[in-house]
Amino acid sequence: DAGVIQSPRHEVTEMGQEVTLRCKPISGHDYLFWYRQTMMRGLELLIYFNNNVPIDDSGMPEDRFSAKMPNASFSTLKIQPSEPRDSAVYFCASSPWANQETQYFGPGTRLLVL
Amino acid sequence: AQKITQTQPGMFVQEKEAVTLDCTYDTSDPSYGLFWYKQPSSGEMIFLIYQGSYDQQNATEGRYSLNFQKARKSANLVISASQLGDSAMYFCAMREPSIQGAQKLVFGQGTRLTINP
Repeated sequence: DAGVIQSPRHEVTEMGQEVTLRCKPISGHDYLFWYRQTMMRGLELLIYFNNNVPIDDSGMPEDRFSAKMPNASFSTLKIQPSEPRDSAVYFCASSPWANQETQYFGPGTRLLVL
Repeated sequence: AQKITQTQPGMFVQEKEAVTLDCTYDTSDPSYGLFWYKQPSSGEMIFLIYQGSYDQQNATEGRYSLNFQKARKSANLVISASQLGDSAMYFCAMREPSIQGAQKLVFGQGTRLTINP
């Protein structure tokens, strides 16, 4: 079975540009999570969805960040405009309803904003 | 306030030895979950083991076991018979209660484990 798929794996962009990160959760999973990992702040939950509906976005740093889940198999995290301090690894994870204890992580997107 | 504390930034262990990675947590909720994830140099996050706050026995998964001491609020990961492939960052995490039913994971800062041949 395919795991969580994220694209792109690496992204280099210039300050002010729009960045879109993509995630395909494991088929059948009801929950989808977006995390950010930095050296300074570690792993932080940004937002999570249940059945495509955003449930908690309290971790989203500011209005420049937005996330959508138009269907059960696709989610995006958008940064507009991007800033150098957004440089981080962004992880997407999914979890099935029946086994909420385990979140399965994607490989991550390494973002560098110059 | 930091909810998950991993006091060992780095550890060096000889191959085949057992290793204990420390984790303490802070919560006032009686229902919670504790997790350990492994992050190798390739970057992915790999789920290792889970312990529920009401579980009577310590969780085990192959060479991994979780030493759960509820009164001390500690959830140490024990790796028996360490292997070179165990070299990685290890993160302890706690599930925060959520009325929506899903889990919000709060992660510690991690411990970098290096296994020496």
